[in-house]
Amino acid sequence: DSGVTQTPKHLITATGQRVTLRCSPRSGDLSVYWYQQSLDQGLQFLIQYYNGEERAKGNILERFSAQQFPDLHSELNLSSLELGDSALYFCASSVERSGIRETQYFGPGTRLLVL
Amino acid sequence: AQKITQTQPGMFVQEKEAVTLDCTYDTSDPSYGLFWYKQPSSGEMIFLIYQGSYDQQNATEGRYSLNFQKARKSANLVISASQLGDSAMYFCAMREVMDTGRRALTFGSGTRLQVQP
Repeated sequence: DSGVTQTPKHLITATGQRVTLRCSPRSGDLSVYWYQQSLDQGLQFLIQYYNGEERAKGNILERFSAQQFPDLHSELNLSSLELGDSALYFCASSVERSGIRETQYFGPGTRLLVL
Repeated sequence: AQKITQTQPGMFVQEKEAVTLDCTYDTSDPSYGLFWYKQPSSGEMIFLIYQGSYDQQNATEGRYSLNFQKARKSANLVISASQLGDSAMYFCAMREVMDTGRRALTFGSGTRLQVQP
């Protein structure tokens, strides 16, 4: 158990809908990262938050947005869903004090299926 | 250009034998970190081992070791004494700091390892 929690574990929805994925980082970790794992694109970085502020953006679509709350949990909002958004969405957290040595610990993921 | 290349889509190994999973990387950043993660069929991503670009020695963590060859830009994972529970996807990942300070990981496409009894 990495200490990172994600809910829900599975999500089935229809095209055009909107969903919210939730992540709670490990105790003490200030940084949250969102990644998408799909069969055709592999594992891709979406967005990073650090202590409530957006830190970096990756290949995140405009239909997707995220935020990190004062208690450091984060939510990833996916709207106008398309079939191609079906994927495993991971949240990872790290302390991010300094340097490159810091390890990101991943949550169990949310498996999204868009029908 | 691919930042992280894992050329072995699938590997088989006999139980109790050692296996090497290949990873090559591409970066112009002098300071970077290399990570290996394991993803069993249940889906979670499990951190295995880390190697920093300035580390003088190859990293080891239990049965996992990293064969780091900086000049060749390779960071191969060696699993000794394979166990049935080692059957999983293995991902190599890199973090570059760069000017932006971005610390997100870039992942390779993975290698599926199957350990045979």
